[in-house]
Amino acid sequence: GDSVTQMEGPVTLSEEAFLTINCTYTATGYPSLFWYVQYPGEGLQLLLKATKADDKGSNKGFEATYRKETTSFHLEKGSVQVSDSAVYFCALSVSGGYNKLIFGAGTRLAVHP
Amino acid sequence: DGGITQSPKYLFRKEGQNVTLSCEQNLNHDAMYWYRQDPGQGLRLIYYSQIVNDFQKGDIAEGYSVSREKKESFPLTVTSAQKNPTAFYLCASSMVDGYGYTFGSGTRLTVV
Repeated sequence: GDSVTQMEGPVTLSEEAFLTINCTYTATGYPSLFWYVQYPGEGLQLLLKATKADDKGSNKGFEATYRKETTSFHLEKGSVQVSDSAVYFCALSVSGGYNKLIFGAGTRLAVHP
Repeated sequence: DGGITQSPKYLFRKEGQNVTLSCEQNLNHDAMYWYRQDPGQGLRLIYYSQIVNDFQKGDIAEGYSVSREKKESFPLTVTSAQKNPTAFYLCASSMVDGYGYTFGSGTRLTVV
């Protein structure tokens, strides 16, 4: 079945460090891919998305490129801030009748000053 | 402003009780969803609904029930049959084609 695998956390970085959170997927169709962010005690917010191969999603300095050949959608940011500390979820949605999201386990990011 | 509202934010349940979590949206979305989140785990789908008066089981529906009598509302009942109900519950909605997926702020349920 369809699934998403994320790197385990926590990821601990110093402010202004480079961030990469790995995400790979398995899907039978042609998925759309998403990154969501969850701050403590809150729901999930869409961070960025890509709907087809080679698309790059970007938002708030975060980027991810849809790589069909490696079935990956890694999240990157060039210079993290303390305010980026949160849990990040990779997700996919396979179109065709019903578009429920399938989530990875989440990766906790902690950024220290 | 359009959005999705979950209530209450915190809920405590005694063993053997049923409790109902509220989810309301004013985004005119056709589809609504309930997810369960446990510490260190991703979100698991409990139930979903694409139209009024219709809903489908997700991956972990046992011990839960839902109704969809109105487009705006999708309440979740955690029944006494749910053996381990302590978790964070998230409601979401979207257009039927999946666009505009929006989450509520969640309800934390604790069994005491």
